[in-house]
Amino acid sequence: KAGVTQTPRYLIKTRGQQVTLSCSPISGHRSVSWYQQTPGQGLQFLFEYFSETQRNKGNFPGRFSGRQFSNSRSEMNVSTLELGDSALYLCASSTGLAGGGEQFFGPGTRLTVL
Amino acid sequence: EDQVTQSPEALRLQEGESSSLNCSYTVSGLRGLFWYRQDPGKGPEFLFTLYSAGEEKEKERLKATLTKKESFLHITAPKPEDSATYLCAVNSGGYQKVTFGTGTKLQVIP
Repeated sequence: KAGVTQTPRYLIKTRGQQVTLSCSPISGHRSVSWYQQTPGQGLQFLFEYFSETQRNKGNFPGRFSGRQFSNSRSEMNVSTLELGDSALYLCASSTGLAGGGEQFFGPGTRLTVL
Repeated sequence: EDQVTQSPEALRLQEGESSSLNCSYTVSGLRGLFWYRQDPGKGPEFLFTLYSAGEEKEKERLKATLTKKESFLHITAPKPEDSATYLCAVNSGGYQKVTFGTGTKLQVIP
């Protein structure tokens, strides 16, 4: 069974640009959650999508947005990039809502903003 | 808002030297506490879910326990391959989202 895949793995952007990250969950998983991981803050929850609907949202500005498609694949978008957006962005999938149990994480996308 | 605090931030053990990692939490109605392991350059890997005080789960050299205010991850006779960052997370009924601690970075020296 294929694991969670994320593309691209590495990304370098400049301030003010926008970026789109992609996540393909494990087959059959309907929930996709996104997290931002930085050395100082650890993993911080961005949002969760379940069956194409956003179910939960973390405390991030509106520049961070996401969506989920009918095949459960998900994308997150960050507009008007800031230096502080440099981080590892992780996505995780689960069969039910994320809070119900085990999440399977992808390898992450390392975003560097210059 | 849910809060998760892990201690120590870093721990260095000799191979075979048992120890415990701590995860303290403040939530409004715990619905689940999770332990994950994260290796450098990889996403977290699920270890355990605990649901109620008094519950314990084991996997190889790891044993997780839960009280009403904290969880412990006990590592018995660790090996170098147990070196990783261990993350604790909670889900509460109030917010229905998963909140992670900042982790304990464990290094086991041969």
